[in-house]
Amino acid sequence: AQSVTQLGSHVSVSEGALVLLRCNYSSSVPPYLFWYVQYPNQGLQLLLKYTSAATLVKGINGFEAEFKKSETSFHLTKPSAHMSDAAEYFCAVSPLGGKLIFGQGTELSVKP
Amino acid sequence: DTGVSQDPRHKITKRGQNVTFRCDPISEHNRLYWYRQTLGQGPEFLTYFQNEAQLEKSRLLSDRFSAERPKGSFSTLEIQRTEQGDSAMYLCASSLNTPTSKLFFGSGTQLSVL
Repeated sequence: AQSVTQLGSHVSVSEGALVLLRCNYSSSVPPYLFWYVQYPNQGLQLLLKYTSAATLVKGINGFEAEFKKSETSFHLTKPSAHMSDAAEYFCAVSPLGGKLIFGQGTELSVKP
Repeated sequence: DTGVSQDPRHKITKRGQNVTFRCDPISEHNRLYWYRQTLGQGPEFLTYFQNEAQLEKSRLLSDRFSAERPKGSFSTLEIQRTEQGDSAMYLCASSLNTPTSKLFFGSGTQLSVL
């Protein structure tokens, strides 16, 4: 069975600090991996996706994620946090394409 | 803007009543998904369609839930004999029919069962 685990339901950083949101996956087949962001009262938006090409994936708003097969991880990073990055972030796996299986989410707070 | 539309945005109902939600996907998308999200949790897969065919339904989904996509365009999700545990945000998403296509999500329908 495929699953995603996000370590830390809440992460708080200062503005300008590094953002690191952790995601580990379990999949019996090579997975497609995604990060989505959800702002309050808005729908989920795709940040970036890994589809078996380059292991370092760059997304929107300065975010990137690195696929590490040996660690079964797909952590999301951003070098410098901005106040507008405060939101809920979801990691998701799609085992063979199609439906997504989401993690439980990580709420990111950014302090001024 | 021709994003994914969901109607209504909010629905309050009494336990035991039936409710129906509608989703209008992006017009050229032939895949349509339904998810459920509760507070503090990630979206939980319910079911998905490719055109009018319902290809997968979650084993966790009660028989009280049914979804249709009769003409391969809009979809409806009906919950019969609602229970308080059905209170959640119901999300619809659509995509093209390729494995790496991203899902476009609607803003959801918030259901409250009293």
